[in-house]
Amino acid sequence: EIVMTQSPATLSVSLGERATLSCRASQNINSNLAWYQQNPGQAPRLLIYGASTRATGIPARFSGSGSGTEFTLTISSLQSEDFAVYFCQQYNNWPWTFGQGNKVEIK
Amino acid sequence: EVQLVESGGGLVQPGGSLRLSCAASGFPFSSYWMHWVRQAPGKGLVWVSRISSDGSSTNYADSVKGRFTISRDNAENTLYLQMNSLRAEDTAMYYCARSWSAVDYWGQGTLVTVSS
Repeated sequence: EIVMTQSPATLSVSLGERATLSCRASQNINSNLAWYQQNPGQAPRLLIYGASTRATGIPARFSGSGSGTEFTLTISSLQSEDFAVYFCQQYNNWPWTFGQGNKVEIK
Repeated sequence: EVQLVESGGGLVQPGGSLRLSCAASGFPFSSYWMHWVRQAPGKGLVWVSRISSDGSSTNYADSVKGRFTISRDNAENTLYLQMNSLRAEDTAMYYCARSWSAVDYWGQGTLVTVSS
């Protein structure tokens, strides 16, 4: 099973600032990586797939990069609705696996 | 509009059974792989099972293999998860989801609580 490791666990950021979240895979997953946002009490929402392609309706302030084992999600200018938990997930090998999450909180 | 609506969760005793359903609408259900993903309270997301678009191929997490069965009815646009021999550690919100490559839509979930 591929282990996905996210860092940092919690990121404190001010409104309008940039946030950078990292995700590492325990083995090569090519570009088969997705990022999801989850707010409390809600289902996850797809932000990025294929490591760098924004899903339909996702604002341009969200961008993804990386391939192989190292990946990054960048939120260029944090808005109030962006304070949430973010999960990376690999879909290269079954079982598909998630990282443990990055919580982005207001500084 | 894509909609996935789960039902069937509830409180069940250890060793008991439940059958979850997921009613799909707004897209060609028979063209998509479908999944069950669960999230224990305050914890992360864990894949439970997936099924191919025609139902011929299924996969399970090791933790549920032999106890859970995924199935689908493409005529009724419905996904199922039969859960037997339930354990306390199966307590979680269970989400239905669809995928083309990555998972792109999720339902709102149905809560399963296993407790005596």
